Amino acid sequence: GAVVSQHPSWVICKSGTSVKIECRSLDFQATTMFWYRQFPKQSLMLMATSNEGSKATYEQGVEKDKFLINHASLTLSTLTVTSAHPEDSSFYICSARVSGRRTDTQYFGPGTRLTVL
Amino acid sequence: DAKTTQPNSMESNEEEPVHLPCNHSTISGTDYIHWYRQLPSQGPEYVIHGLTSNVNNRMASLAIAEDRKSSTLILHRATLRDAAVYYCILRDSGAGSYQLTFGKGTKLSVIP
Repeated sequence: GAVVSQHPSWVICKSGTSVKIECRSLDFQATTMFWYRQFPKQSLMLMATSNEGSKATYEQGVEKDKFLINHASLTLSTLTVTSAHPEDSSFYICSARVSGRRTDTQYFGPGTRLTVL
Repeated sequence: DAKTTQPNSMESNEEEPVHLPCNHSTISGTDYIHWYRQLPSQGPEYVIHGLTSNVNNRMASLAIAEDRKSSTLILHRATLRDAAVYYCILRDSGAGSYQLTFGKGTKLSVIP
């Protein structure tokens, strides 16, 4: 199956700093990637849809100036959490859309655990 | 996306079959039924998806009711590695958004 990687797998940072998370599709090209956030014991919440070569589409309530998304190539999307605060501590997960004649689904990365002190 | 209803939790004995139900009474004709699972501290993993006919792959089988208002994910022989949260999700193939909306899912526990 399609493989999606994320880097780093975990990060600890101080309040007020910025953190960049990378999402890569390793063996396929993805014109569309998605970013999710998951708090403990809760389900995944979609943050934004990232399309290669264009601006990301953010879900209601997600600040686009705080969560910067760049999808500069068909295999890489990045999420930058700017001026991170403790309430931004969460599990961030990306996915990449795979579509073909008989399938249209998403493959997920392993997630990045962000802890803001 | 149309809503789905799943039990909060289920238990199964190791090496026995598991039937995970999902109700989606408001499903539309263009909604695909997707199943994902999430192991602790990992990203979700694609399991299977279907539209009308039953589907089989190496991981599981998907049985879809004739009226499509419910479906069942079947794990033929549960192993300890199958302990996870299983999400049943409807995705509208006609909407053009390709988004997946995750509910609370069913937490499957496998007893050795």
